[in-house]
Amino acid sequence: EPEVTQTPSHQVTQMGQEVILRCVPISNHLYFYWYRQILGQKVEFLVSFYNNEISEKSEIFDDQFSVERPDGSNFTLKIRSTKLEDSAMYFCASWVGDTGELFFGEGSRLTVL
Amino acid sequence: GNSVTQMEGPVTLSEEAFLTINCTYTATGYPSLFWYVQYPGEGLQLLLKATKADDKGSNKGFEATYRKETTSFHLEKGSVQVSDSAVYFCALHFYNQGGKLIFGQGTELSVKP
Repeated sequence: EPEVTQTPSHQVTQMGQEVILRCVPISNHLYFYWYRQILGQKVEFLVSFYNNEISEKSEIFDDQFSVERPDGSNFTLKIRSTKLEDSAMYFCASWVGDTGELFFGEGSRLTVL
Repeated sequence: GNSVTQMEGPVTLSEEAFLTINCTYTATGYPSLFWYVQYPGEGLQLLLKATKADDKGSNKGFEATYRKETTSFHLEKGSVQVSDSAVYFCALHFYNQGGKLIFGQGTELSVKP
């Protein structure tokens, strides 16, 4: 069964460092997303990406964040200078573009010290 | 704006008890409605969905009916098992608006033997 894969599963970093989280969406999907879940809280939308550009972003997705699809398979989230409050589980999702569901990866846990 | 409200958790039940997790929504337009489940230490998995009013989604003994008149999508199961212990998220999905999911805050379910 096709699945969304994310790496790393857990990353620990120092405040102010750059972090890149990687995702491989399902191959025939057209829309890609990043969501964030701070421990014990709701799952929050960060950004959606379609046709090689951002289609929507939330207030959380400020200038410290960027996304890229550098080749035909990877979809990355970069945090330029991490803050303590960026500590969270980051989920990548992809969607084929119909009435079906979004498929989520297992998540990347980011811990900022 | 579009939003989802779920009943507060945690919900603690004994095995074989009846489960209801309330979900109400506010939406402009005609969203699909989803329930996602997050088992401990795992990512988000689709549990069930309904794409239009009066549809009933069902899976693994869980069911939910899309009620437009009460803007609700309550999750029910007749007899819960210990293995159902997880966090349950209700979500809106607008397939004709870029596919973004809007999640409720999640409801933690703990089932005791």
